[in-house]
Amino acid sequence: AQSVTQLGSHVSVSEGALVLLRCNYSSSVPPYLFWYVQYPNQGLQLLLKYTTGATLVKGINGFEAEFKKSETSFHLTKPSAHMSDAAEYFCAVSDKIPQGAQKLVFGQGTRLTINP
Amino acid sequence: DGGITQSPKYLFRKEGQNVTLSCEQNLNHDAMYWYRQDPGQGLRLIYYSQIVNDFQKGDIAEGYSVSREKKESFPLTVTSAQKNPTAFYLCASRDQGIFGKAFFGQGTRLTVV
Repeated sequence: AQSVTQLGSHVSVSEGALVLLRCNYSSSVPPYLFWYVQYPNQGLQLLLKYTTGATLVKGINGFEAEFKKSETSFHLTKPSAHMSDAAEYFCAVSDKIPQGAQKLVFGQGTRLTINP
Repeated sequence: DGGITQSPKYLFRKEGQNVTLSCEQNLNHDAMYWYRQDPGQGLRLIYYSQIVNDFQKGDIAEGYSVSREKKESFPLTVTSAQKNPTAFYLCASRDQGIFGKAFFGQGTRLTVV
């Protein structure tokens, strides 16, 4: 079964500092990988996704993530944090089977706090 | 505008009562999902449905039931058998193209007193 592990339930960085949110996955085949952001009392919004091709994926709001097959990782980064980046971030994995039900499995989430 | 709508945003129920959470989408998506969110546990999959009149149990289906009579609608019933129903519930629908992007509703916060 596929699973996702996000290292660190809380991450705190200073405004302008590098943001690094870690995600490792377990899958028997290369999966589809996603990062979502959730603001308080709202649903989730897609930040970026990896399907095939280039392993460095750029998303919205200056975020990017790199798929590393050898490390089974898909860490999320942003060079310079803004106060508006404070939110909860979820990594997710999905199987690639085109037919049949496809489960979308989420990690536990990482709450990002930005210090002024 | 296309989207996915959950209602109500806040819901209060007495212990022992069944309650149904609504989820409607006009994105023409085949797949729909229900997740439960608790602090520190991320999103856990309750039920999911690939097509009309078909659905599968997720990881924490006990105490919940769903139906999928229409493509647009995937209501979730929280039954009295659910031991700890107070939580934030999220509904999602998903493209069936190769990119598989999921769209989420705004969530329903259920409080059982």
